[in-house]
Amino acid sequence: DTAVSQTPKYLVTQMGNDKSIKCEQNLGHDTMYWYKQDSKKFLKIMFSYNNKELIINETVPNRFSPKSPDKAHLNLHINSLELGDSAVYFCASSQGGAQHFGDGTRLSIL
Amino acid sequence: SQQGEEDPQALSIQEGENATMNCSYKTSINNLQWYRQNSGRGLVHLILIRSNEREKHSGRLRVTLDTSKKSSSLLITASRAADTASYFCATDANSGYSTLTFGKGTMLLVSP
Repeated sequence: DTAVSQTPKYLVTQMGNDKSIKCEQNLGHDTMYWYKQDSKKFLKIMFSYNNKELIINETVPNRFSPKSPDKAHLNLHINSLELGDSAVYFCASSQGGAQHFGDGTRLSIL
Repeated sequence: SQQGEEDPQALSIQEGENATMNCSYKTSINNLQWYRQNSGRGLVHLILIRSNEREKHSGRLRVTLDTSKKSSSLLITASRAADTASYFCATDANSGYSTLTFGKGTMLLVSP
């Protein structure tokens, strides 16, 4: 049973499109995260939710909007995709301390 | 903002040798964590060391923390080809919910 699962695994789309990435965790954790990993493997926090409440919102374009319908789910919607959005997006969850990561969504903008 | 800096950026060793990776950070921390990332996969938590601890072991892993120098090291003993991966340190400044700032990582290649 996958602890943190995100879909889709690959997303190839045109510039200007709107897309969503979904994340679910079955660990019962209160906190969930979205990270962006660039081509140089640098991992940067984008958002964090604790019990469905936004607690971290880093300097991310407002084209990115997270949504947490319940504490087991954290989705990421991206409007008007740009070339620079190409990256791997990771979802993670935590109950303090260690974070558990999904396998990532590789987003490629054509 | 980036907190940790790993050194070296890349490390190539033979199976059976030890691998040492270093991490330096800039601000006060509650704990420091090490993660492994295999190619095409998510990060996997390896070990967490709290700011009041100096050394921690887990299997073939040994982590040290020197808060006065703001640095940590990860030692993998008797390396195996399966240890080939990128290794990241991450600092957590919070004592409540986890908020990690990652370094750039060390790419480790272990050759059979």
